[in-house]
Amino acid sequence: EVQLVESGGGLVQPGGPLRLSCAASGFTFTDYWMNWVRQAPGKGLVWVSRINSDGSTINYADSVKGRFTTSRDNAKNTVYLQMNSLRAEDMALYYCTRDPWGIGDFDYWGQGTLVTVSS
Amino acid sequence: QSALTQPPSASGSPGQSVTISCTGTSSDVGAYDYVSWYQQQHPGKAPKLIIYEVTRRPSGVPDRFSGSKSGNTASLTVSGLQAEDDADYYCSSFAGSNSVVFGGGTKLTVL
Repeated sequence: EVQLVESGGGLVQPGGPLRLSCAASGFTFTDYWMNWVRQAPGKGLVWVSRINSDGSTINYADSVKGRFTTSRDNAKNTVYLQMNSLRAEDMALYYCTRDPWGIGDFDYWGQGTLVTVSS
Repeated sequence: QSALTQPPSASGSPGQSVTISCTGTSSDVGAYDYVSWYQQQHPGKAPKLIIYEVTRRPSGVPDRFSGSKSGNTASLTVSGLQAEDDADYYCSSFAGSNSVVFGGGTKLTVL
């Protein structure tokens, strides 16, 4: 069974850092692109970033470029999202998603981890 | 990376058909046959992929759900509406600059 389990969310002050993790199981992790998608309370889905199977290609939404860093550890079947200089508008539920071909077909989603940015 | 445009709401009675549009540009929807649709039953619940690559259905998704595309606009049609189809629906498209863009979402109400 494919599982994606996010962790690391919580309360952080504006300008602070936070690192999210997504532990994958039930499939060959090294065969897939992985993405982060977020959803602010009461709002729609927004794509955040993606990373290819070996970590050599990483792309970001303009809204997070320069502040967020995506990485993966294929030995641990885990993808990370390092978030720095957090802003109020980054407050959201962050989902980890699997993308078989790197074309935006998110066939599995985690349950999400909530990031709250507040002083 | 502007969001795709979806109507905020749609509705239909059980058994009817409803079509939800998703309008992008020649840089995303019009440029690639990589449009997906997701169903989100409740806010905070993980979305579910129901259509990918414009017309394809993942295993287990009823054939009441179908997708199409013309130019810069993609569409999701739900035929034979059922109560459990009451949900939020989001489209997405692969876009230029190696990114993905979502629509703003459509709340489908089954009357």
